[in-house]
Amino acid sequence: SQQGEEDPQALSIQEGENATMNCSYKTSINNLQWYRQNSGRGLVHLILIRSNEREKHSGRLRVTLDTSKKSSSLLITASRAADTASYFCATPPGDSGYSTLTFGKGTMLLVSP
Amino acid sequence: GAVVSQHPSRVICKSGTSVKIECRSLDFQATTMFWYRQFPKQSLMLMATSNEGSKATYEQGVEKDKFLINHASLTLSTLTVTSAHPEDSSFYICSAREGGPTYEQYFGPGTRLTVT
Repeated sequence: SQQGEEDPQALSIQEGENATMNCSYKTSINNLQWYRQNSGRGLVHLILIRSNEREKHSGRLRVTLDTSKKSSSLLITASRAADTASYFCATPPGDSGYSTLTFGKGTMLLVSP
Repeated sequence: GAVVSQHPSRVICKSGTSVKIECRSLDFQATTMFWYRQFPKQSLMLMATSNEGSKATYEQGVEKDKFLINHASLTLSTLTVTSAHPEDSSFYICSAREGGPTYEQYFGPGTRLTVT
């Protein structure tokens, strides 16, 4: 079964608004990563947050991690039309028992001009 | 950062034919490469893990005789979809890692396979 589960499945907002996506996972982790995928394209690594970190920023991205709730959130501030993509959380090998990253189902974000 | 390339980016083939997809690590040696399949609006599903010089390890439900994986060198892995059928139409993404599980994975741009 998948390790990560994102919600919402789809999110539609206007340019300039903030977008928040959530990810829940099942087992203990060393870190959690967020990826973006434009339609029909490969994955782009966005940000990695380690299990001993609670919050991390990168440009307009803000990621939080709550290991007690086994959840993470990705916030995109002041969204742009170019942010339209699918966003996946992924957990690494190790405690999950998998040999590679395990991806959630993703959130499809649509940012309208 | 490290770059992983895939070729071709898009391929259309007829049912019953075989298609080979290449995955290359361009600026690092990949001891481990992974192949994922992604159906429309779905997440990436791991198909198999290949270590250079050894047989690939396939995930449950993935037919090893249908999806042939060769990892003959530290910079190249190939996925051959044999006797392709329309249901094999999908987006195939490879990923490469320089070492063990603590190393970062780098992803290729994907290959869109359409079987008619």
